[in-house]
Amino acid sequence: RKEVEQDPGPFNVPEGATVAFNCTYSNSASQSFFWYRQDCRKEPKLLMSVYSSGNEDGRFTAQLNRASQYISLLIRDSKLSDSATYLCAVYNTNAGKSTFGDGTTLTVKP
Amino acid sequence: DTGVSQDPRHKITKRGQNVTFRCDPISEHNRLYWYRQTLGQGPEFLTYFQNEAQLEKSRLLSDRFSAERPKGSFSTLEIQRTEQGDSAMYLCASSQRAGVWDEQFFGPGTRLTVL
Repeated sequence: RKEVEQDPGPFNVPEGATVAFNCTYSNSASQSFFWYRQDCRKEPKLLMSVYSSGNEDGRFTAQLNRASQYISLLIRDSKLSDSATYLCAVYNTNAGKSTFGDGTTLTVKP
Repeated sequence: DTGVSQDPRHKITKRGQNVTFRCDPISEHNRLYWYRQTLGQGPEFLTYFQNEAQLEKSRLLSDRFSAERPKGSFSTLEIQRTEQGDSAMYLCASSQRAGVWDEQFFGPGTRLTVL
């Protein structure tokens, strides 16, 4: 079993839809969590950090559930430009590194 | 541009040759990471530096891979005796860790093709 798992999708949604992605992690010592966006053949770009209390940035909401060991990303009012692969990353201070999931692909259609 | 830069952006080599990649991190960042990414997979951790010290190296990394970060600034990743399985995107990221928060910023990557 991978340390960080994501549903690969693809998620195909119409413009304006709300879509949610989950990411589960197996190492309970994980300490901080992130969502990255990666466009085709480009580098990952930090989308948002995930705080314990949950956090929102415009149409994007991230939540953390430590008890169940998962993080989520909610995208409201999807835009065509949201089409990308969304990677979650889990950072462990003891190991000193982040582990990435394999990403969830989102396609937003007109 | 003050982001992470990598050079070269593309490298095609023949099996058995040595290749070296360079990464220049964001100037105030003290941490530098190397990852490898293949199609359909997330970035796979290779190694990281805190300033000039190499603190962690993936067990998946064979002895053919070596990385350096002299003076805690730019870093190089060398692959000796390349194999076709080394074909991948090699990504560098840097961060200025604050407590448990380690927001990493990636460079554009070096795409390696081993023929």
